[in-house]
Amino acid sequence: AQTVTQSQPEMSVQEAETVTLSCTYDTSESDYYLFWYKQPPSRQMILVIRQEAYKQQNATENRFSVNFQKAAKSFSLKISDSQLGDAAMYFCAYRPALGTSGSRLTFGEGTQLTVNP
Amino acid sequence: DAGVIQSPRHEVTEMGQEVTLRCKPISGHDYLFWYRQTMMRGLELLIYFNNNVPIDDSGMPEDRFSAKMPNASFSTLKIQPSEPRDSAVYFCASSFRGWNEQFFGPGTRLTVL
Repeated sequence: AQTVTQSQPEMSVQEAETVTLSCTYDTSESDYYLFWYKQPPSRQMILVIRQEAYKQQNATENRFSVNFQKAAKSFSLKISDSQLGDAAMYFCAYRPALGTSGSRLTFGEGTQLTVNP
Repeated sequence: DAGVIQSPRHEVTEMGQEVTLRCKPISGHDYLFWYRQTMMRGLELLIYFNNNVPIDDSGMPEDRFSAKMPNASFSTLKIQPSEPRDSAVYFCASSFRGWNEQFFGPGTRLTVL
């Protein structure tokens, strides 16, 4: 079974600084997808960024980028120029690419990010 | 685009009562997912549907939980009888094809007293 681990329950960053959130996962699959979701106090789950395992290039979305290390099964999220609106719970998630479980998302425990003004 | 719609947003009930949570997926999406979020267990998938057919219900905790999708625009998650340990936030999500992004609804916060 796939597992996703986020070892940092809480992180904090100063506004305009950079912060990196860690995520590791365990799978025997060779093809899969990884995601970072953001959950602000409103509870809404918002997709931040996604990475296809077959792509070597790290995904980037504006101030958000990932460091995907397939061999190490590591998938960290870097937030540059942090803004107050980035404060939220961040979840790392895994999904297999194929098979009957190909639609199932497995989430990590979450990292609560605080942005200090 | 109204997004995924869930109702009610909050539900408070007493132990033993029946609870029905409702979800309207995004129009045109053919996959629908029900998740539960608790402090102890985090976010976990309960069940998902493809074209109104349940595909994987292995996450449904026990027989007290049931889910239906009578048509492409409506799904329910029912708990009967409810117990205090069912207190959680229940999310519905939908996607177009199983491999695309899942769009989440705002969630229903259920409190069972």
